[in-house]
Amino acid sequence: QKEVEQNSGPLSVPEGAIASLNCTYSDRGSQSFFWYRQYSGKSPELIMFIYSNGDKEDGRFTAQLNKASQYVSLLIRDSQPSDSATYLCAVGMDSNYQLIWGAGTKLIIKP
Amino acid sequence: GAVVSQHPSWVICKSGTSVKIECRSLDFQATTMFWYRQFPKQSLMLMATSNEGSKATYEQGVEKDKFLINHASLTLSTLTVTSAHPEDSSFYICSWGRLDNEQFFGPGTRLTVL
Repeated sequence: QKEVEQNSGPLSVPEGAIASLNCTYSDRGSQSFFWYRQYSGKSPELIMFIYSNGDKEDGRFTAQLNKASQYVSLLIRDSQPSDSATYLCAVGMDSNYQLIWGAGTKLIIKP
Repeated sequence: GAVVSQHPSWVICKSGTSVKIECRSLDFQATTMFWYRQFPKQSLMLMATSNEGSKATYEQGVEKDKFLINHASLTLSTLTVTSAHPEDSSFYICSWGRLDNEQFFGPGTRLTVL
């Protein structure tokens, strides 16, 4: 069974610090990796995607992928209270567009 | 780009009635779309995958006769919850699949069945 694992949290981080969110996946055939942010009562919104090993940076966000370790992470620099949300990791397998979802990590940024 | 709308955004209905939720992609076309359900404080649960012009594929435990999906075009899909009951109260979210597995989500519909 294909699985995506995330620590449910909550992860509490002081404002201005770096928040580090982690995700592991079971299927080595996974091709694409996504981080979505979901505020309470809202639908998920895409933060970043990554396809290749290494780091990908977009503003305060950095996604890191290590396919050998089957591990993907999201770093949020200079964390803001508005970053408080649940972060969902999702992994894509092939061309049917379906994603395997983690249960999400609740992040709390303390002012 | 990649704007998705859902209508209604929230609905309250009596037990036994049917509710139709509409999902539209406003500025793009896509063949494949997904319907999810999310109960309070729980993770996203995929209900079904739908390709335009084909019958939807339902996840295990999701009754296809209760949750009717009509995927009529590359920009419109509907989910009808038939004979709704209080246990169907949930947050229903649609998404459209694009290249490289990226999904674009609608804003969701909150259904409350009395």
